[in-house]
Amino acid sequence: AQTVTQSQPEMSVQEAETVTLSCTYDTSENNYYLFWYKQPPSRQMILVIRQEAYKQQNATENRFSVNFQKAAKSFSLKISDSQLGDTAMYFCAFMKPLRRSRLTFGEGTQLTVNP
Amino acid sequence: SAVISQKPSRDICQRGTSLTIQCQVDSQVTMMFWYRQQPGQSLTLIATANQGSEATYESGFVIDKFPISRPNLTFSTLTVSNMSPEDSSIYLCSVEFSSTGLTGEQYFGPGTRLTVT
Repeated sequence: AQTVTQSQPEMSVQEAETVTLSCTYDTSENNYYLFWYKQPPSRQMILVIRQEAYKQQNATENRFSVNFQKAAKSFSLKISDSQLGDTAMYFCAFMKPLRRSRLTFGEGTQLTVNP
Repeated sequence: SAVISQKPSRDICQRGTSLTIQCQVDSQVTMMFWYRQQPGQSLTLIATANQGSEATYESGFVIDKFPISRPNLTFSTLTVSNMSPEDSSIYLCSVEFSSTGLTGEQYFGPGTRLTVT
């Protein structure tokens, strides 16, 4: 079974600065997907970024980028130029590349962006 | 982008009663899922809602407690039966579109916050 671990329950960052959230996972699969989801106080889960394991290039979406280290089974999220609206719970998630496959979530990291 | 709605957005229920949560999408989807998020915790998949057939339940979840229906490609319901305070959670539906099915992306509804007293 796959497991996803987020070792930072809480983090804070000053507005406009950069912050990195950590995620490690355990799997015997060679091909899979990794995701970061954001859950603000409204509780709406929002997909932030996706990475396919067979792609060596790290995914980037505007201010959000990942550092994917397949051998180390590490998948960190970097948020540049942090904004107050980035305050949310961030979940790392794993999925095997099959239709009907479940998302396995980490425990989450509560990020607070301070003015 | 598609709109995913859930009803009710929140409810307070007495123990022993049942609540049915609806998930509606404004376009056809291939897959629909139901997750539970207990207070302060992460999301756990309850079941996959299959159109025209019985839902596929994850370990620890049973049909008698969480009956699910999916009558068409845009709608599903989850019922939380014979509720106890331990069922107090946020319940979220998520969907997968045919265009994103091979990339694994799931999109979530706004959630239903259930409190059982």
